[in-house]
This record gives sequence, structure tokens and C-alpha cells, in this order.
Amino acid sequence: NAGVTQTPKFQVLKTGQSMTLQCAQDMNHNSMYWYRQDPGMGLRLIYYSASEGTTDKGEVPNGYNVSRLNKREFSLRLESAAPSQTSVYFCASSDRWAGDHEQFFGPGTRLTVL
Amino acid sequence: GQQVMQIPQYQHVQEGEDFTTYCNSSTTLSNIQWYKQRPGGHPVFLIQLVKSGEVKKQKRLTFQFGEAKKNSSLHITATQTTDVGTYFCAVLTGGGNKLTFGTGTQLKVEL
Repeated sequence: NAGVTQTPKFQVLKTGQSMTLQCAQDMNHNSMYWYRQDPGMGLRLIYYSASEGTTDKGEVPNGYNVSRLNKREFSLRLESAAPSQTSVYFCASSDRWAGDHEQFFGPGTRLTVL
Repeated sequence: GQQVMQIPQYQHVQEGEDFTTYCNSSTTLSNIQWYKQRPGGHPVFLIQLVKSGEVKKQKRLTFQFGEAKKNSSLHITATQTTDVGTYFCAVLTGGGNKLTFGTGTQLKVEL
């Protein structure tokens, strides 16, 4: 099992450009999440999808959109990138009905917006 | 929303010394999780605590949940260089649908 995979690993954008970050999990989890991590700020939730077909805003949703394409895939889109969106983006998944409800994280996407 | 404060923000220790990080909340918590993130890596789940006064151990790591369920601690005995990283506490919110993370404690271990 690959767990949670994210593409791309690194990306540099110019202000105003758009891009989509891809995330997939092969653990049959119902819930998926997008976080951003900035130095000294911990992990902040952007959007989450508690189950296939639903999405909800997290703590910092402005400037982002998401799509839960199917149970496996959850994408994050930046429509018009801004320097403030320079960050490391992590996707995660979990099964809230099993185990300790732990979240499994992907390796991250390091995004720089110039 | 639910907020958890984590202290200290940074900690440098000599290898073999002990280390403790604390997570505090102003409200009663239903649960708390702990994660470790190695430099350049992604967070990895360590443990979940749900009961008042609960203590769990994983080798040199001891996790505690306060009696009032408003605080938690992670203690590492005799640190090793492999313990280097950032330790986060996190709380399940939104009916168990999402996690709110503390700001983390960055641990550096010097030989």
C-alpha cells in the first residue's frame, strides 16, 4: 500500500497563476483533509471532506477550492496564487470509525509563489 | 473554535537528557492525539488519549492526559538523536471529523 500520495512534490508559481494539488489514498478512508504548514504556525486546516460527496471549510479556506473526485482522491486548487500562499501543503486521510481516528499524512507539496 | 496551546516552542537538550512538552486547553477536551514530524517530513501519529488521568507508554515516551482533561504532556526519557523533530498535540473537533493542532514543540538533540 502506498498510503497517501501527493503530487507535485515541489512547485514554483508566479503571482496570479493557478494550479491544482493532487492527493490520493489507497486505505479506503472516508475522510480526507488539506492542511498548510507555515513556520511557527503548526498545521492549519484548509478544507476537509468527511465523506465522499461532501466538503467543508476549515480554519483558512480563503483563496482555495477543493474537489472530492471520488473516495480515493481529494484535490486542492489555487485559482490565483498569492505570495501569502507560499507554504508546505499536506493532504491527510482517516477513518473516523476505526482505530484511534488517527490521520495519515502524505509527503507534502512545497509551494513557492513569487 | 477549540484551541490548544503548546509549550515550549523550542527545546535544545544534550543526548541522554529528558524532554517534556505540554499541551494546554481552557476547555475540557474529549481526546488528545500526539504526532511527530521529523525535519523535512510529514506528521506521523504517535498515540491518542481519551480517559481522565490516562497514562500510556511507548518505550522511552510517556503520554499523560490530565485529570481534568484540560492538559496533556509528552515526556521522553534519555533523549536520542533519533528523537529530533517537532511534536504536535491535536484535538478531534467537529464531531470527530477534524483535528485542531497545537503549534508544536521543536526538539533538537545535541551529542
